[in-house]
Amino acid sequence: ETGVTQTPRHLVMGMTNKKSLKCEQHLGHNAMYWYKQSAKKPLELMFVYNFKEQTENNSVPSRFSPECPNSSHLFLHLHTLQPEDSALYLCASSHDATSGVGETQYFGPGTRLLVL
Amino acid sequence: EDKVVQSPLSLVVHEGDTVTLNCSYEVTNFRSLLWYKQEKKAPTFLFMLTSSGIEKKSGRLSSILDKKELFSILNITATQTGDSAIYLCALKVYGGSQGNLIFGKGTKLSVKP
Repeated sequence: ETGVTQTPRHLVMGMTNKKSLKCEQHLGHNAMYWYKQSAKKPLELMFVYNFKEQTENNSVPSRFSPECPNSSHLFLHLHTLQPEDSALYLCASSHDATSGVGETQYFGPGTRLLVL
Repeated sequence: EDKVVQSPLSLVVHEGDTVTLNCSYEVTNFRSLLWYKQEKKAPTFLFMLTSSGIEKKSGRLSSILDKKELFSILNITATQTGDSAIYLCALKVYGGSQGNLIFGKGTKLSVKP
């Protein structure tokens, strides 16, 4: 399988649950990203990993915890979320997050999260 | 491999200038092209283009798509300091194994007073 995959595609969780979102890319890229897309807001960048190192954390609450064990895999661990965290969580990858040349990001299909 | 290339990567102009931002692409199963403005963290949706040759306008901003030559331009007239931002071009494709939304790197626009 090629491209960027995300699992699960849909997730319903209670505020006390702990769950994890998984992203995997088969494109040989070195950078991976987590984005949040809420129903009435534009795309928000959450975290950036470049060569497995976190290079950006856009003031994301600590109830979201990213993990990047290697360049192909990215996780987003969730705990004690709030209903307002319900959104589409998108993962993306690119060759190199610091590249100065026109860089294309490839997005996965997203995980639709509902927090009750 | 699908590709979205924006140029220039950065641009510095003075208030009142007109700017043209470029987005070229190579994708299979083209569905639509989107422009976003990103200030600080959150991109703001500007335009969605699906048909060639039809200009979309919103105030001082306008955009047009050329599906034959595979590019789009975003024009900003009479620029203001508040136009300073990163402008992102994104492609939506049908199906595909690489996800259905492909972003370019963006053009960083700085408008000086």
